[in-house]
Amino acid sequence: DGGITQSPKYLFRKEGQNVTLSCEQNLNHDAMYWYRQDPGQGLRLIYYSQIVNDFQKGDIAEGYSVSREKKESFPLTVTSAQKNPTAFYLCASSMESVNTDTQYFGPGTRLTVL
Amino acid sequence: AQSVAQPEDQVNVAEGNPLTVKCTYSVSGNPYLFWYVQYPNRGLQFLLKYITGDNLVKGSYGFEAEFNKSQTSFHLKKPSALVSDSALYFCAVRVFDNYGQNFVFGPGTRLSVLP
Repeated sequence: DGGITQSPKYLFRKEGQNVTLSCEQNLNHDAMYWYRQDPGQGLRLIYYSQIVNDFQKGDIAEGYSVSREKKESFPLTVTSAQKNPTAFYLCASSMESVNTDTQYFGPGTRLTVL
Repeated sequence: AQSVAQPEDQVNVAEGNPLTVKCTYSVSGNPYLFWYVQYPNRGLQFLLKYITGDNLVKGSYGFEAEFNKSQTSFHLKKPSALVSDSALYFCAVRVFDNYGQNFVFGPGTRLSVLP
């Protein structure tokens, strides 16, 4: 069953803790992305990666970190430096070709800071 | 700056009536445009895209979108709305920067189809 998986679905964090959100894809996609979604604000890009061992900051990277050690995996760490981390986090992937560039999204992780 | 606007936060339509969800864009070069739908607490699902060719693009679940270059618009349409179409709809455009490609999303439009 191909697609993108995110885990956990719900995550609770105490203030001052780092947490890592998992994103895995078996679509053989080159590019992967992390977005944050807040009510009424649409999707904002946190980080994205075009190839293994390389990634780029998006619009709201402060307080977040990522790694891309494997093509199929792009975990996101929400650090204690992120002042308002409560949000819905979406991972996506896409091919890196001119025509086949649709993004495919995972089911999301809802992070709540207690 | 490259951007996508969805001028309506909310669209209400009666079941069986046609629906339109509006999107306008601002990009440099040729636009690559997308529509996605999101149901509560779920990821986004791809509906359709415009890359080149016919200005009327047909997609999933009976949706279609019309690309209008002169008006820089890419409105989503459906001839007859269903209650199950009620969801959050996002328009997006592919953009290129020094690193590679990414996507810019509009703020979303909540569609409510009333029975």
